[in-house]
Amino acid sequence: DAGITQSPRHKVTETGTPVTLRCHQTENHRYMYWYRQDPGHGLRLIHYSYGVKDTDKGEVSDGYSVSRSKTEDFLLTLESATSSQTSVYFCAISESAGQETQYFGPGTRLLVL
Amino acid sequence: RKEVEQDPGPFNVPEGATVAFNCTYSNSASQSFFWYRQDCRKEPKLLMSVYSSGNEDGRFTAQLNRASQYISLLIRDSKLSDSATYLCVVPPKGQAGTALIFGKGTTLSVSS
Repeated sequence: DAGITQSPRHKVTETGTPVTLRCHQTENHRYMYWYRQDPGHGLRLIHYSYGVKDTDKGEVSDGYSVSRSKTEDFLLTLESATSSQTSVYFCAISESAGQETQYFGPGTRLLVL
Repeated sequence: RKEVEQDPGPFNVPEGATVAFNCTYSNSASQSFFWYRQDCRKEPKLLMSVYSSGNEDGRFTAQLNRASQYISLLIRDSKLSDSATYLCVVPPKGQAGTALIFGKGTTLSVSS
């Protein structure tokens, strides 16, 4: 299995609070991704990174920001959590863009009350 | 046509059955395709890549039909452990997108 960890694995928070999720990889892969997965929607890309300090928006980026200060870490921040952001969040990595296989972390279950 | 579409199922089959899933895609320039498997409350994991010539891995066969723009996954001799959601995955359009596009998945339930 690819070396990808996510923390925390579970979190309950209140509406309006900031939340940061962390993805850590030991594979030295250049690309990292944040997805959310909801019933009826499948996996939707939030943000991705193509290198240190290089990030771009995905399909559902509103309300989220990301940072990547080191190759191994990709942080996802919910600036002010809302109930619509209750979801399962997956981080993924790949060696290169587009055509390459992605490997996923174990996921973070977030509940916003 | 949506970028990728799958029949959500569920497909309910007995052990030993053969079952096939199809997935259609819209980007005719797509080159790489994958099938991922996702168990309940777990992360998606790569099951197999799909090559133009088709490929087989044990009981699993993946095929690509470029003319009709669909890929398929055939599972022979189904096992209880095959129960999962199977995600069809296609590459992004153009140069701007860098993330694979995941279908919503097809749920398979194998019963004894």
